[in-house]
Amino acid sequence: QVQLQESGPGLVKPSETLSLTCTVSGGSISGYYWNWIRQPPGKGLEWIGYIYSSGTAKYNPSLKSRVTLSMDMSEKQFSLKLNSVTAADTAVYYCARLSAYASGSLDYWGQGTLVTVSS
Amino acid sequence: QTVVTQEPSLTVSPGGTVTLTCASSTGAVTSGYYPNWFQQKPGQAPRALIYSTSNKHSWTPARFSGSLLGGKAALTLSGVQPEDEAEYYCLLYSGGVQVFGGGTKLTVL
Repeated sequence: QVQLQESGPGLVKPSETLSLTCTVSGGSISGYYWNWIRQPPGKGLEWIGYIYSSGTAKYNPSLKSRVTLSMDMSEKQFSLKLNSVTAADTAVYYCARLSAYASGSLDYWGQGTLVTVSS
Repeated sequence: QTVVTQEPSLTVSPGGTVTLTCASSTGAVTSGYYPNWFQQKPGQAPRALIYSTSNKHSWTPARFSGSLLGGKAALTLSGVQPEDEAEYYCLLYSGGVQVFGGGTKLTVL
């Protein structure tokens, strides 16, 4: 059974960089698209981006200038960095696996981690 | 950027049938948008129900079905159960990126 677990600081100061890691267990990290999705409190879902196991990444155009995704195959982890954060970046951040590009499914999700941006 | 629109809220009686829809600001939704549907209950991560318009996961109850209807993606629940009360999100692929709809709050009453 594939499991994903987000980890990282729950509190980030405005203008600083939000950094999260997702650890994959129970399955291969190769051959899949690994996604980050966020949900502000009480609001809907927003796709942030994905990174393929080859290292190719695609980002939400609205966040592209501030986001970097990376992958550590040996540790079976992928990471999110979002710089210059503001209160608007306060959200539950989820990592999720996309089984195949476009025709596949975001079939496995982490439980989510709340990140609050506040001084 | 594409805007994906869903009904903000719907109410259905137990045992009834309800259809949720998902529209794109760029025009008719086709199979090339690979519509996905997710269910989210309070305090939980979203759970995938339908992918690529109408494909189900092994865990998707048979009463859930996906289709294209009148230029939109559609999720139909037949024989609604009380445990189906949740928020439902659609996801479309558009221009190489993924876009979520705003969600539909489904109340079973």
